[in-house]
Amino acid sequence: KNEVEQSPQNLTAQEGEFITINCSYSVGISALHWLQQHPGGGIVSLFMLSSGKKKHGRLIATINIQEKHSSLHITASHPRDSAVYICAVYGGATNKLIFGTGTLLAVQP
Amino acid sequence: EPEVTQTPSHQVTQMGQEVILRCVPISNHLYFYWYRQILGQKVEFLVSFYNNEISEKSEIFDDQFSVERPDGSNFTLKIRSTKLEDSAMYFCASNGFRTDTQYFGPGTRLTVL
Repeated sequence: KNEVEQSPQNLTAQEGEFITINCSYSVGISALHWLQQHPGGGIVSLFMLSSGKKKHGRLIATINIQEKHSSLHITASHPRDSAVYICAVYGGATNKLIFGTGTLLAVQP
Repeated sequence: EPEVTQTPSHQVTQMGQEVILRCVPISNHLYFYWYRQILGQKVEFLVSFYNNEISEKSEIFDDQFSVERPDGSNFTLKIRSTKLEDSAMYFCASNGFRTDTQYFGPGTRLTVL
């Protein structure tokens, strides 16, 4: 069983839609990352959070430590948001990142 | 803005050959990591490195793998005798404190023929 599960695996949305991607984890963590991976392969950190909620532009991330669950929301989605969104948790003694399988988002104009 | 760099961007090698993947972490960072992503799969942790020694390594990181920080700027991953299954994208990452955001390099795509 994966330590970090994401849903959905694939998501197609129309431009302007509100998008939610979910992440559940089964290990104790110190923090959780939301990352974005573009087709070229590069990985960019969007958020790191250990409690509550963070907002950056049209992106909002929330985490519920008790329920071991986090969500990433994209408001007013745009085709340039099309990418793979990855949830990763800090675990272990050295804070290695444990990755989910990613959610492939396609936003159509 | 400081960034993590990796070279080469793409490396093609024959099975059994040694390869060295290079990373230049952000200059004031102290913690360094290697991850890999086999095509179509999730990113996996390989090794973390701090204070000139390995802090943690995964089951993947066997005797064929080694890491080194040969000078004050470079951080390298060596694969001694490559196998077909080593074909993957290899990402280097770094952070200033263990609990900080990790910053990723653009990756090196390794193809073993």
